[in-house]
Amino acid sequence: DQQVKQNSPSLSVQEGRISILNCDYTNSMFDYFLWYKKYPAEGPTFLISISSIKDKNEDGRFTVFLNKSAKHLSLHIVPSQPGDSAVYFCAATSGNQGGKLIFGQGTELSVKP
Amino acid sequence: EPEVTQTPSHQVTQMGQEVILRCVPISNHLYFYWYRQILGQKVEFLVSFYNNEISEKSEIFDDQFSVERPDGSNFTLKIRSTKLEDSAMYFCASSPQGRDNQPQHFGDGTRLSIL
Repeated sequence: DQQVKQNSPSLSVQEGRISILNCDYTNSMFDYFLWYKKYPAEGPTFLISISSIKDKNEDGRFTVFLNKSAKHLSLHIVPSQPGDSAVYFCAATSGNQGGKLIFGQGTELSVKP
Repeated sequence: EPEVTQTPSHQVTQMGQEVILRCVPISNHLYFYWYRQILGQKVEFLVSFYNNEISEKSEIFDDQFSVERPDGSNFTLKIRSTKLEDSAMYFCASSPQGRDNQPQHFGDGTRLSIL
């Protein structure tokens, strides 16, 4: 089941620069997308989300962009900080109440000082 | 900030034994979920639960699995007869509503090791 794909297993960025994490999806029924951050030995922590009626959502250093025609979303972190080093998961869900999340494989971000 | 708590953090069980994983969702949340992550693989949905019944379940959630909300605070996942392939991290999650831009909040997981 490859409905949500994160094609880059890892990304390394210099502190202060922009980190761009990408996610592609195939199911056109998805209408709500989320990014989670995960540290080792912890559960996923919600970071930011976007509804399919929008193309951008911003929260501090984090911005999510949605391109519905390309079925693509991205998470921008600027400026990147060493504490941002973690695994980032993209997730998607569709319109029903109690909707399950479909996760991508995750991208491990390393921000170097 | 309220959080989802899971116990135990690590459970080691012999194959064929029953195991119960416990979760305390955030207190005003109405929807509850279990996910699992086998080592090196994606986080996978197992089951969602609302109003004291299962809302949706995945193919993974077969007759060996069950969920229960025995009181007003706990939410449990039971595996009746564990198999080696049940070894994984199991995450509980909850949300105040099922959708409407309300994200699911996750616990730190229970690492289940089947010997």
